[in-house]
Amino acid sequence: QKEVEQNSGPLSVPEGAIASLNCTYSDRGSQSFFWYRQYSGKSPELIMFIYSNGDKEDGRFTAQLNKASQYVSLLIRDSQPSDSATYLCAVNIEYGNKLVFGAGTILRVKS
Amino acid sequence: ETGVTQSPTHLIKTRGQQVTLRCSSQSGHNTVSWYQQALGQGPQFIFQYYREEENGRGNFPPRFSGLQFPNYSSELNVNALELDDSALYLCAASLGRGDTGELFFGEGSRLTVL
Repeated sequence: QKEVEQNSGPLSVPEGAIASLNCTYSDRGSQSFFWYRQYSGKSPELIMFIYSNGDKEDGRFTAQLNKASQYVSLLIRDSQPSDSATYLCAVNIEYGNKLVFGAGTILRVKS
Repeated sequence: ETGVTQSPTHLIKTRGQQVTLRCSSQSGHNTVSWYQQALGQGPQFIFQYYREEENGRGNFPPRFSGLQFPNYSSELNVNALELDDSALYLCAASLGRGDTGELFFGEGSRLTVL
């Protein structure tokens, strides 16, 4: 059973701070990793993907992958109240966009 | 706006009944996946359809079944409903069988089983 673990939170950060969200996965053979954002009452939307060890930056978002430690993280710089949402970490079960999601971390950005 | 439409948005059923949920994509994405999201949990993969055939299935019993039609729309059928089937059912469209992880989700059908 391939699993993805996340701290459920809530993680509270002040506006302008860096929010750090973490995720671990069980299958060492996993190749593709994704971060989805889900606002309350809405469906998930993809914000970042990462395939290689190291960092990947996109605007205020940075995804970090460490395959040796089976660890994925998402950093949000200059956090805004509009970033308040649940962040879902996901891993491909097998080739073809079949994803295993973690339970998500609730992020609250306070102004 | 993802262009993925699901119906109905909410429905209430009783244990033992059957339900059909529908999904359509305006964008022509030819792969459709269904996910179940229980309250406070992440989405769980039910199955995927590509070119009208099932192309992968998660850990769900056979009473969960689906169809994909030539226009890429899809149905999820659940027979013999159980209380634990109460959840948000999400349809996700994607293009081909690629590995981008980019799923375009509909707004979901919230099923309550009493």
